[in-house]
Amino acid sequence: NAGVTQTPKFQVLKTGQSMTLQCAQDMNHEYMSWYRQDPGMGLRLIHYSVGAGITDQGEVPNGYNVSRSTTEDFPLRLLSAAPSQTSVYFCASSLPGARELFFGEGSRLTVL
Amino acid sequence: GDSVTQMEGPVTLSEEAFLTINCTYTATGYPSLFWYVQYPGEGLQLLLKATKADDKGSNKGFEATYRKETTSFHLEKGSVQVSDSAVYFCALSPSSNTGKLIFGQGTTLQVKP
Repeated sequence: NAGVTQTPKFQVLKTGQSMTLQCAQDMNHEYMSWYRQDPGMGLRLIHYSVGAGITDQGEVPNGYNVSRSTTEDFPLRLLSAAPSQTSVYFCASSLPGARELFFGEGSRLTVL
Repeated sequence: GDSVTQMEGPVTLSEEAFLTINCTYTATGYPSLFWYVQYPGEGLQLLLKATKADDKGSNKGFEATYRKETTSFHLEKGSVQVSDSAVYFCALSPSSNTGKLIFGQGTTLQVKP
């Protein structure tokens, strides 16, 4: 099993550019979420989804868009990248009722 | 709202020393509690968990007990190894359980030979 797969692993953008971070899971998990990790701040929730067609905002949603058209995929879109979005991004998934999350290996984004 | 507070790091220990990383939480209802570990250059892995008061989670020599009276979930290990060097995150899953975790800020552990 691949688990949770994130692409790309590394990306450098210029301010104002747009891009999509991909996340796919093959465990048939209904719940999926995106976090960003910044030094000294732990992981903060950006957006999450409890199933296909259902998304909601987390703690730090500004500047990011998501959609969930299938159970497997949960892409994160940066519409106009800013240096403040330089971070490591983690996608996670879980089953309802399971509580613990399974994480991807992360995507390191640098915005110049 | 719900929150998690961890002791600040970095923590530097010699091999075979005793480890404690403090974690306290604020939450309504009955959250589940977790410790995740992140080795250098990798994603987060579940280390251990506890789903109700007085539960003890354990794995790889690490232990943590869910203490509702003190709202704590401290991580302990009796004898650390160099391979335990990593960042440790305490986290809680709120009672509502919508697939979200609330994380502490993380504690970096460095173990020296």
